[in-house]
Amino acid sequence: RKEVEQDPGPFNVPEGATVAFNCTYSNSASQSFFWYRQDCRKEPKLLMSVYSSGNEDGRFTAQLNRASQYISLLIRDSKLSDSATYLCVVPRSGGYNKLIFGAGTRLAVHP
Amino acid sequence: GAGVSQSPSNKVTEKGKDVELRCDPISGHTALYWYRQSLGQGLEFLIYFQGNSAPDKSGLPSDRFSAERTGGSVSTLTIQRTQQEDSAVYLCASRTGTGELFFGEGSRLTVL
Repeated sequence: RKEVEQDPGPFNVPEGATVAFNCTYSNSASQSFFWYRQDCRKEPKLLMSVYSSGNEDGRFTAQLNRASQYISLLIRDSKLSDSATYLCVVPRSGGYNKLIFGAGTRLAVHP
Repeated sequence: GAGVSQSPSNKVTEKGKDVELRCDPISGHTALYWYRQSLGQGLEFLIYFQGNSAPDKSGLPSDRFSAERTGGSVSTLTIQRTQQEDSAVYLCASRTGTGELFFGEGSRLTVL
């Protein structure tokens, strides 16, 4: 099993749709998690941190399920500008020492 | 500057040559990471520096790759005897105390 697994997509959704991505991880010792966004040919940028059961920021909600070892990202009322690749990041150990990136999920929002 | 700075932004080299890539992290960030991203692929962890601790080199793909961090700040990633499969974007990031990574714009390496 890979350390961090994501559905590569692409997810093609119309504007205004709600879309959710999952990310599974193998290391049960991981305590905090992150979602990054990467636009084409750009560097990744932090979207959300997930330290406990979840986090919400406007249209974006991240949830953590420790028992099943996955985190999810929910985007409501999708905008064209949400089109990007969403990367799940998991520390290999309990701290932040080795941050492992998933391969990413591509989202394309169309008019 | 306020962000992570990487140089060169683009490097084209011939197979067998050595290359050096530089990263200047955000001032005050004690942790520094190097990742590699091939076209259409995810980020591959290469090496991690934290303060004065020994670096975690477990992601370096071969002994042709090395990195150092001088004075706890600037880092250099060196690739010796480059091969075509080394072609990728090399991303450097520095990290806050709460785990957030700030990336530079990357160094795009093309090995002919």
